[in-house]
Amino acid sequence: KAGVTQTPRYLIKTRGQQVTLSCSPISGHRSVSWYQQTPGQGLQFLFEYFSETQRNKGNFPGRFSGRQFSNSRSEMNVSTLELGDSALYLCASSFREPSYEQYFGPGTRLTVT
Amino acid sequence: GEDVEQSLFLSVREGDSSVINCTYTDSSSTYLYWYKQEPGAGLQLLTYIFSNMDMKQDQRLTVLLNKKDKHLSLRIADTQTGDSAIYFCAERPSGNTPLVFGKGTRLSVIA
Repeated sequence: KAGVTQTPRYLIKTRGQQVTLSCSPISGHRSVSWYQQTPGQGLQFLFEYFSETQRNKGNFPGRFSGRQFSNSRSEMNVSTLELGDSALYLCASSFREPSYEQYFGPGTRLTVT
Repeated sequence: GEDVEQSLFLSVREGDSSVINCTYTDSSSTYLYWYKQEPGAGLQLLTYIFSNMDMKQDQRLTVLLNKKDKHLSLRIADTQTGDSAIYFCAERPSGNTPLVFGKGTRLSVIA
């Protein structure tokens, strides 16, 4: 079974631009979560989607948004990019119940210059 | 509040056992997880333990849970150079809440 895939793997953007990242979950998984990983803050939760509905949201500004499609694929968008948005963005999928095991993709490395 | 603490570094000799420790604060946590991250990669789920268990063994990995002290440990037997990576402990405070991760422990295996 294929794992979680994320595209693109690497991205370089300029301050003020916007970016869209994509995540395809493991087949059959309906829950997708997004995390931001930086050396200083570690892994921080962004949001979780389940069956196209946002179930949880982390403490990030409104510039960060996401959505999930009917095939469970998910996208996240960051508008008006700031230098501090440079990070590894990780997507994880799961069945949710009972054990909520999350399986992560390889991530998208975003660099904002 | 929710917080997961781990030591930042651990160095061991090849063939020895590694023990990575983690403390968490939310006593209602239902599941606790260990993930491994190699350079340039995402997180790989190694194992998890349900809160009503004390121990779980999976090949070279042993997880011990002390609920009274809110302490979780991961023991890697016969540590190999391929085990060099960052290991993250994570808790799920309740079934419907996001994972809370520690900062990760960087394991270095010396040949």
